[in-house]
Amino acid sequence: ETGVTQTPRHLVMGMTNKKSLKCEQHLGHNAMYWYKQSAKKPLELMFVYSLEERVENNSVPSRFSPECPNSSHLFLHLHTLQPEDSALYLCASSQTSGGSTDTQYFGPGTRLTVL
Amino acid sequence: GQQVMQIPQYQHVQEGEDFTTYCNSSTTLSNIQWYKQRPGGHPVFLIQLVKSGEVKKQKRLTFQFGEAKKNSSLHITATQTTDVGTYFCAGRAGYSTLTFGKGTMLLVSP
Repeated sequence: ETGVTQTPRHLVMGMTNKKSLKCEQHLGHNAMYWYKQSAKKPLELMFVYSLEERVENNSVPSRFSPECPNSSHLFLHLHTLQPEDSALYLCASSQTSGGSTDTQYFGPGTRLTVL
Repeated sequence: GQQVMQIPQYQHVQEGEDFTTYCNSSTTLSNIQWYKQRPGGHPVFLIQLVKSGEVKKQKRLTFQFGEAKKNSSLHITATQTTDVGTYFCAGRAGYSTLTFGKGTMLLVSP
């Protein structure tokens, strides 16, 4: 499946580094999402964008900064992360953010390790 | 806020045995979706249930939506090693975003 792509697939960074995760969807969808998946809390919704506007922010620390320049691209900018931020970061897209029957299409994820 | 609870958290079966995972919501849902995530992979949409009491089948998988639209189940008949993975339910109330359960990890021994 290549509908939603994510880069990089793996990332190792120090706590003082700044890095960005990229997501691109080729499905013509209007909504995009960032999820964090860790052993302790599977599939935590972080951010929701609908037509490039942030519509949901689930109390995510400010060291995570999303950016949605257009409906096909979504970024997650990372700075001064903590080791507990190590996780799989999944991007997803759907036709709309609140459509009653919308399904979500996930990217392959970025495996992030913070040293 | 809306909560979606899923049990069991983990199940290990012998190939050929049946498997069931259950999903319960704190609120009435407009629909429920099921996703499968293979080890090392990402969640992939399986099916969506919308109607009260709805039952859908995909080969050996049977999905049910409760009459009150607050619970759902996924039953796999005669598991195979290819069924290994984590199964997530995800519920939506009205036009809210999907809320995922914590998933049930299924291991199948040959």
